[in-house]
Amino acid sequence: QSALTQPASVSGSPGQSITVSCTGTNSDVGAFNYVSWFQQHPGKAPKLIIYDVSNRPSGVSNRFSGSKSGSTASLTISGLQAEDEADYYCTSYTTTISYVFGTGTKVTVL
Amino acid sequence: QVHLQESGPGLVRPSEILSLTCAVSGGSVTDDNWWSWVRQPPEKGLEWIGQVYRRGTTNYNPSLRSRVTISIAQSENQISLRLSSVTAADTAMYYCVKHGGKYLDLWGRGTLVTVSS
Repeated sequence: QSALTQPASVSGSPGQSITVSCTGTNSDVGAFNYVSWFQQHPGKAPKLIIYDVSNRPSGVSNRFSGSKSGSTASLTISGLQAEDEADYYCTSYTTTISYVFGTGTKVTVL
Repeated sequence: QVHLQESGPGLVRPSEILSLTCAVSGGSVTDDNWWSWVRQPPEKGLEWIGQVYRRGTTNYNPSLRSRVTISIAQSENQISLRLSSVTAADTAMYYCVKHGGKYLDLWGRGTLVTVSS
């Protein structure tokens, strides 16, 4: 199974909105509504911020939102803040009863 | 609140077996959810290794299936990972993760394993 495709980097100024894409196939992202997103700060474990395409776990800021169209999922961060600077990974459940991660995106707050 | 703590040797010789455990506290490995192992080589992305359910049912990453065994030790309330015939490419931070449905919910802090002679 090939990794889901994410842009290597995305940047924005404080207060702006940015979107990170996650492109898969009809065997993973396009097959189920089981896409989730993780935020990872340097030296830390990943933290779940979106699950099942668009759901936020308790305690996660509503500035994070998720969506999906066909085989491409998206994470939008609105009102960008300095603390949002981190690596972001998507993942999807697949038709082979496994999980595949995205290549990862480094978000930079200018 | 469930807490996960990975442990194991920080250094493994090439061709040998990597063996890790994940101690679960604040919950039980027999709860109705899956448990996964995920790894991350230094400065690289995440890779799902496989998962186990309370009754011992497993699913593995096709690229690692021939070398991986994940199991549950109910009496110790632990999840175990064994990876055979390791090479330098298996050097990574290894994370234990509790599922919440079809997603990876709660992560341990991880344990770094280096494969080197």
